[in-house]
Amino acid sequence: EVQLVESGGGLVQPGRSLRLSCAASGFTFDDYAMHWVRQAPGKGLEWVSGISWNSGSIGYADSVKGRFTISRDNAKNSLYLQMNSLRAEDTALYYCAKDTRATVTTPFDYWGQGTLVTVSS
Amino acid sequence: DIQMTQSPSSLSASVGDRVTITCQASQDISNYLNWYQQKPGKAPKLLIYDASNLETGVPSRFSGSGSGTDFTFTISSLQPEDIATYYCQQYDNLLRITFGPGTKVDIK
Repeated sequence: EVQLVESGGGLVQPGRSLRLSCAASGFTFDDYAMHWVRQAPGKGLEWVSGISWNSGSIGYADSVKGRFTISRDNAKNSLYLQMNSLRAEDTALYYCAKDTRATVTTPFDYWGQGTLVTVSS
Repeated sequence: DIQMTQSPSSLSASVGDRVTITCQASQDISNYLNWYQQKPGKAPKLLIYDASNLETGVPSRFSGSGSGTDFTFTISSLQPEDIATYYCQQYDNLLRITFGPGTKVDIK
């Protein structure tokens, strides 16, 4: 059974940093690209970032480019999102999602349950 | 960047009704268009990929069509468990992925 479990969310002050993690199991992690998608309270889905199977291709939404860094450790079956210079508008539930292909494309066939990030003073 | 519009933003229909949602891309995206269902408090679920392919295990009352810039998602006979928000999603070959704003579906 495919499982994606996010962690690392919490309350953080504007301008500070936070690192999210996603632990994957139930599939061959290094065969697939992975993504982060967020959803602000009461709002729609926003793709944040994606990384190919070997970290060779990485994409970011314009809203986070230069502040967020996606990475993965295939030996640990884990995906990460380093979030710096956080802003109030980054407040959201952050989902980890599995791509159906090795390269950064779509669709996303499995999702975690999300970890909540709240940016507030 | 490619912009996605969805219509309507919300709809209310009776059980058994045929429901149609449209998604329009600001430029040609071929068939790189997917549809997701999100129920309150839950993660999204993939229903349709590459515009018209039904994901394994998804009921056949769900379908999708279209290519280029105009796409349609249909529920042939609305069921109570279909109450959710539906999102289209596009991918371009420049590592950019966009979701539509969503369509909230309720039972009348």
